[in-house]
Amino acid sequence: EAGVVQSPRYKIIEKKQPVAFWCNPISGHNTLYWYLQNLGQGPELLIRYENEEAVDDSQLPKDRFSAERLKGVDSTLKIQPAELGDSAVYLCASSLSLIGGQNEQFFGPGTRLTVL
Amino acid sequence: AQTVTQSQPEMSVQEAETVTLSCTYDTSENNYYLFWYKQPPSRQMILVIRQEAYKQQNATENRFSVNFQKAAKSFSLKISDSQLGDTAMYFCAFMKLYGNKLVFGAGTILRVKS
Repeated sequence: EAGVVQSPRYKIIEKKQPVAFWCNPISGHNTLYWYLQNLGQGPELLIRYENEEAVDDSQLPKDRFSAERLKGVDSTLKIQPAELGDSAVYLCASSLSLIGGQNEQFFGPGTRLTVL
Repeated sequence: AQTVTQSQPEMSVQEAETVTLSCTYDTSENNYYLFWYKQPPSRQMILVIRQEAYKQQNATENRFSVNFQKAAKSFSLKISDSQLGDTAMYFCAFMKLYGNKLVFGAGTILRVKS
């Protein structure tokens, strides 16, 4: 069974440019998460989807970040315009829609973004 | 709000030896879950072990075991018979009993030396 797929693995852009990251969750996983991982730190949740609905986006900087999961499967996270401080790893994870800690989250390999 | 603290930025251990990684957390919740995740250089985060706070028995998974001290809000990970493949960043994480949000610590880099 394929795991969580993310692309691209690496992206280098200049500041003020737009950038988009794509995530394909594990088949059958209704819950999808986007995390931000700064260098030397643990991941922080940006947004969580239950099917097509964003149920927790309180940590998403909405002035420049947006996300969508139109058909309840794949998801795209966008930054426009990118700033130097956005350089980080963006992780996608997915899980079944179970309650709490029974709900193992499976992570993708992440996209490493470098903003010059 | 919950916080997770990992006070050891880096640890090293000789192959076949045992190492313990520390984690403390702060919460007002009575029931919750605690996790240890491993992130090797390839970056793919992998679940190592999970502990339910309402279970007194410490969780074990092969060479990995935890020492869960609820009153002290401590959750350490013991790796026995360390292998070169255990080299990775290890993250301690917290989740509310009926939540979906993982709160991670800053991580501990573990290097296993031959």
